[in-house]
Amino acid sequence: DAKTTQPPSMDCAEGRAANLPCNHSTISGNEYVYWYRQIHSQGPQYIIHGLKNNETNEMASLIITEDRKSSTLILPHATLRDTAVYYCIVSAHNAGNNRKLIWGLGTSLAVNP
Amino acid sequence: DAGVIQSPRHEVTEMGQEVTLRCKPISGHNSLFWYRQTMMRGLELLIYFNNNVPIDDSGMPEDRFSAKMPNASFSTLKIQPSEPRDSAVYFCASSFASNPTQYFGPGTRLTVL
Repeated sequence: DAKTTQPPSMDCAEGRAANLPCNHSTISGNEYVYWYRQIHSQGPQYIIHGLKNNETNEMASLIITEDRKSSTLILPHATLRDTAVYYCIVSAHNAGNNRKLIWGLGTSLAVNP
Repeated sequence: DAGVIQSPRHEVTEMGQEVTLRCKPISGHNSLFWYRQTMMRGLELLIYFNNNVPIDDSGMPEDRFSAKMPNASFSTLKIQPSEPRDSAVYFCASSFASNPTQYFGPGTRLTVL
């Protein structure tokens, strides 16, 4: 299964865009890129996922490079409530079409007033 | 939907005691995951079920840990006997087998003295 590399921490000013990078250079053709976040003392929360096209939802945008070896999660207007640990994960396929997610240490994003 | 429900939210016990953690997945989800999170090791997958059947238990640390899913709406993770190194936050998550997005419960914070 592909592994991911993320910076351990980042800072962002409130109201500005937060761009969180992720490297996944060994990703295989059928693996998706997922982003979750974990706010302190809560369970992880799904944000977005994609295969090769850029994706956008109400929470964020996901930009995946053409070679799929890296991606960027964009929070367009970060708020203090976006302070959390952000995990970039690539999927693994198992029997029954189930996907086991392999979690790294993530990026701790601090949004500052 | 109430989301994934876990109980208890906090558990303090003494070394050697049996501990049982409980999880109710989101109604209709047919995959269930048990995770453990510590500062040192991050988020680790312990075991997951598909249609109430254990698919991968390779993350279960040792024989002291066991998990069951007697029906689609209930699962338990049992530790017997418990040890101080088992102290962690234990999360349960559920998903549709055909959709990899996992929804997490609030977690159980376990402290073994």
